[in-house]
Amino acid sequence: GAVVSQHPSRVICKSGTSVKIECRSLDFQATTMFWYRQFPKQSLMLMATSNEGSKATYEQGVEKDKFLINHASLTLSTLTVTSAHPEDSSFYICSALPLDSLAGEQYFGPGTRLTVT
Amino acid sequence: GNSVTQMEGPVTLSEEAFLTINCTYTATGYPSLFWYVQYPGEGLQLLLKATKADDKGSNKGFEATYRKETTSFHLEKGSVQVSDSAVYFCALRSSGSARQLTFGSGTQLTVLP
Repeated sequence: GAVVSQHPSRVICKSGTSVKIECRSLDFQATTMFWYRQFPKQSLMLMATSNEGSKATYEQGVEKDKFLINHASLTLSTLTVTSAHPEDSSFYICSALPLDSLAGEQYFGPGTRLTVT
Repeated sequence: GNSVTQMEGPVTLSEEAFLTINCTYTATGYPSLFWYVQYPGEGLQLLLKATKADDKGSNKGFEATYRKETTSFHLEKGSVQVSDSAVYFCALRSSGSARQLTFGSGTQLTVLP
């Protein structure tokens, strides 16, 4: 149980284009999902908190117009990197917080490797 | 604010050696504590958790005990295997309304045959 999928797992795009990454909770519902960015050999950096049916909450320094988040249902959140540039190349990981979680554990997707050329 | 301090890596052990990865935290109230593991090129997997003082989380031979008096949650395993090679993250969730996890910096473990 508690499986989270991400699609695509790997994407290469040209500078200036937009890329959409999907995050799905497969066997549970989640009103809250999180988007992280991870640089090589570093910890996870929280980008934003995605709440079903409402606007995402972005961390300081994260451009909301560049990283568009939509949480349209209890099992799906999407992150769109708009007008991507090479510095946006990174490993993006989502996580989902189950509705019935008492401890607050998050379940993570396998990550999406974005390369902008 | 909340913070998690992890033992710096990398850690290299021989197969069947004893493992300890230290983790201490700073938080108000009574946080929940977690250990996550990340294998190369993958997302994080929840390894174990503890929600109150003196709780022991355990899974796959790994254990960690929530010590409020020392604000610690050290990860241990009695006999590591090559397949345990990964990055280990300690994390906490505060007892307030915030839902975010606060992560440590991660510890790279390499187990040699």
